[in-house]
Amino acid sequence: KQEVTQIPAALSVPEGENLVLNCSFTDSAIYNLQWFRQDPGKGLTSLLLIQSSQREQTSGRLNASLDKSSGRSTLYIAASQPGDSATYLCAVVTGGFKTIFGAGTRLFVKA
Amino acid sequence: DAGITQSPRYKITETGRQVTLMCHQTWSHSYMFWYRQDLGHGLRLIYYSAAADITDKGEVPDGYVVSRSKTENFPLTLESATRSQTSVYFCASQGDITEAFFGQGTRLTVV
Repeated sequence: KQEVTQIPAALSVPEGENLVLNCSFTDSAIYNLQWFRQDPGKGLTSLLLIQSSQREQTSGRLNASLDKSSGRSTLYIAASQPGDSATYLCAVVTGGFKTIFGAGTRLFVKA
Repeated sequence: DAGITQSPRYKITETGRQVTLMCHQTWSHSYMFWYRQDLGHGLRLIYYSAAADITDKGEVPDGYVVSRSKTENFPLTLESATRSQTSVYFCASQGDITEAFFGQGTRLTVV
């Protein structure tokens, strides 16, 4: 059974700091991995999608990497801003397009 | 407008009543999903669908029924609502190689 774990569960950093969020999964047979952002009381916004054949994806200040063999993905946020404060979720898509989410990392960026 | 919409946004119902949550997407994505989000459990997959007339169970399907007669619609029915089904429900759609897009959620309260 695929399990997805995100570390840390919560993180508080000063503005401007670079940070890394971690996601690990137990079964390397994934179709793709996606990072999302969720603001309180809102839906999920897609940040980055990494196909199983890819190693990383970049969008602006965000960079996500994928190492299938070790069952790990990281989300790197450069020069964090207060507007980055949110919960970040990773999700893996397995065979049959079944999607399993991690519990998320709650990020707070202090001005 | 292109996108994925859920209705209603908020619903209060009584124990034992049947409730249907609606989900509509305009991209003709093959895959559609229903999740529930609860404190302490994160996002859990209820049902998903790979195409019209093809559906499959996720992690927590008991007490729910889905149908997908048209590609763009994926309604979720609670046959006999229970208090444990009080939750925020999210619908999502995804193409074969695209990211997943989420609706804004339906906050359901069963009293």
